[in-house]
Amino acid sequence: GIQVEQSPPDLILQEGANSTLRCNFSDSVNNLQWFHQNPWGQLINLFYIPSGTKQNGRLSATTVATERYSLLYISSSQTTDSGVYFCAVKQTGANNLFFGTGTRLTVIP
Amino acid sequence: DVKVTQSSRYLVKRTGEKVFLECVQDMDHENMFWYRQDPGLGLRLIYFSYDVKMKEKGDIPEGYSVSREKKERFSLILESASTNQTSMYLCASSDPGQGAIGELFFGEGSRLTVL
Repeated sequence: GIQVEQSPPDLILQEGANSTLRCNFSDSVNNLQWFHQNPWGQLINLFYIPSGTKQNGRLSATTVATERYSLLYISSSQTTDSGVYFCAVKQTGANNLFFGTGTRLTVIP
Repeated sequence: DVKVTQSSRYLVKRTGEKVFLECVQDMDHENMFWYRQDPGLGLRLIYFSYDVKMKEKGDIPEGYSVSREKKERFSLILESASTNQTSMYLCASSDPGQGAIGELFFGEGSRLTVL
């Protein structure tokens, strides 16, 4: 099956700092999503981005499908950004989303 | 906004009990999914459904069954709960998009403890 690697596994930031989270995948995909899991366990949909670039407020994401990676940018981080960020992909021809192991972000005041 | 509602946030059950986890979505989505999340193992798909009365096994269906009698409701059933089914259970829904999965929206999760 497809391999999905997220880096870094853990990240600690001072409030106000910027960060870049990376998702590498091992095969062609036609679906890629970024999620934020808050401390209460809910997964919040951030971006549906199988290719290209999108922005939503302080967050933006870029997927370069031909090079098999996606990046999530967080600018001017806030303590509420803390949690685990997951990348999930679907291989072309498959019928299941496969989740990476996540990046745990801690933003300290 | 899409809303996916799971019936219970926290449940405690005894080994051997029958457990029902309910999930309702209000956006007329065709697809619904049940995942479980465990430390070190990430999210794993249990079952999914592309239509009413239709179900497909995911990666870890053993010990579980599902029911989708109405489009908005997808139930996960543990016929005889065991301690290794202690986990966080997450329901999601989506409209078919490219590749027939589309963009997933998750409920708040149900944390099940089996004693």
